Formats: sequence, C-alpha cells, structure tokens
Amino acid sequence: QQQVKQSPQSLIVQKGGISIINCAYENTAFDYFPWYQQFPGKGPALLIAIRPDVSEKKEGRFTISFNKSAKQFSLHIMDSQPGDSATYFCAATILIYNFNKFYFGSGTKLNVKP
Amino acid sequence: KAGVTQTPRYLIKTRGQQVTLSCSPISGHRSVSWYQQTPGQGLQFLFEYFSETQRNKGNFPGRFSGRQFSNSRSEMNVSTLELGDSALYLCASTADRPGTEAFFGQGTRLTVV
Repeated sequence: QQQVKQSPQSLIVQKGGISIINCAYENTAFDYFPWYQQFPGKGPALLIAIRPDVSEKKEGRFTISFNKSAKQFSLHIMDSQPGDSATYFCAATILIYNFNKFYFGSGTKLNVKP
Repeated sequence: KAGVTQTPRYLIKTRGQQVTLSCSPISGHRSVSWYQQTPGQGLQFLFEYFSETQRNKGNFPGRFSGRQFSNSRSEMNVSTLELGDSALYLCASTADRPGTEAFFGQGTRLTVV
C-alpha cells in the first residue's frame, strides 16, 4: 500500500509562474512532512518541511500548505525560475521506538521554461 | 558536521559480478536507509537499519542484501549483477527523534555492462 501519493508526475511551468505539487497520505500518525529537491546526479536535499499542527509554512518562494482533515499537503513555488528545474519528493515520517520511518512520494519532475 | 558519505561515487561492473557499496551516516545517527533510483524513477526502497538490525526490506530479490556495523556504517551488496541493476544507489541517515529530516548522500552510480 502506497502511504504517500504524489501528483503530478511531471510539470512544465513558464518562468515566473507558480508550480504546485500535491501529496496525499493515509496514516494520521505521521508527524512530519518534508519536501526534498533533487538535481540530476545528486542526492535529494531537504527543501522545506512542516509539522501537522501548522497549516502553512513559507520560506522564500517556497510554501507548504497543509490540510490535516483532508490528509493532503502541497508545495507551491512562486515566481518559478529555470534553476528550480529538478525532481521534487514529498515525504511523511513517523517515529517508531526511536526509529524514524520515512515514506516518500513517487516524485515530480519540474521543468521551468525560460 | 560531516554529511552522509557514500563510496565509491561511480562503479562499472560486468554482469554476473557482485558489488559492495558503503555508506557512512552522520555522526550520532543510528538509522540508515538505502534506495535505488533509476532514470526518471522515484526512490525505490531497498532496506533500512537501526542499531545493526534490519527493520524493513523493500520488494527486491535476495541478490540485494545489506548490513550495519556497530559504528552505524552500512554496506549493501548486490550479487550476480544484472543489466537492470544499473542505477543510482542512495543512502540516507536520520536522527532518533521525531520531526527530523533524512540526510542523503550523493549516491553511488552503478553501471552494469
């Protein structure tokens, strides 16, 4: 069973536009929702993260919107730039006896056109 | 603080050979997870370790195995390599507390010819 579902699989946005990636989860015990950014040939790196008691978190051009009742969260990239072109993964985590279990979405390949 | 270190960065092997990849987590992290990533694909979960114990294993054949040492360093081994094993292999380490991120290494790019 896929614990975290991510959409769309790929996204093309014009420079200056808004990129929106959505994720949905099943387990209400998840306690942390990070987003990762991955450039080709590199490992994913944390972009921004949110806890379930917060509905929105903004860092620069990146915003996470979190809807606990709908079990959904999304990443918004404002004023998208060609340098934002990368693959984005959402994730949900749960701590089990000191062990952080991560569940990753399937990824979204973002292409920002100049 | 040093990040997650994976060695080697690149590897070329022949079909039928075996390979061992290494991952040194961030100091103090006892959890290490491994993922396989093929071009255009997501993160396919291989296995995860906590304090030398394998906690979970993904849906991969028995040719894929791993272990974790007392210093939390981890290795994964792939025996009888197949062309389809060509991929970027990533490991990640996490701390033992809630609300913390997974730190990824740069990965090992394995090419099977």
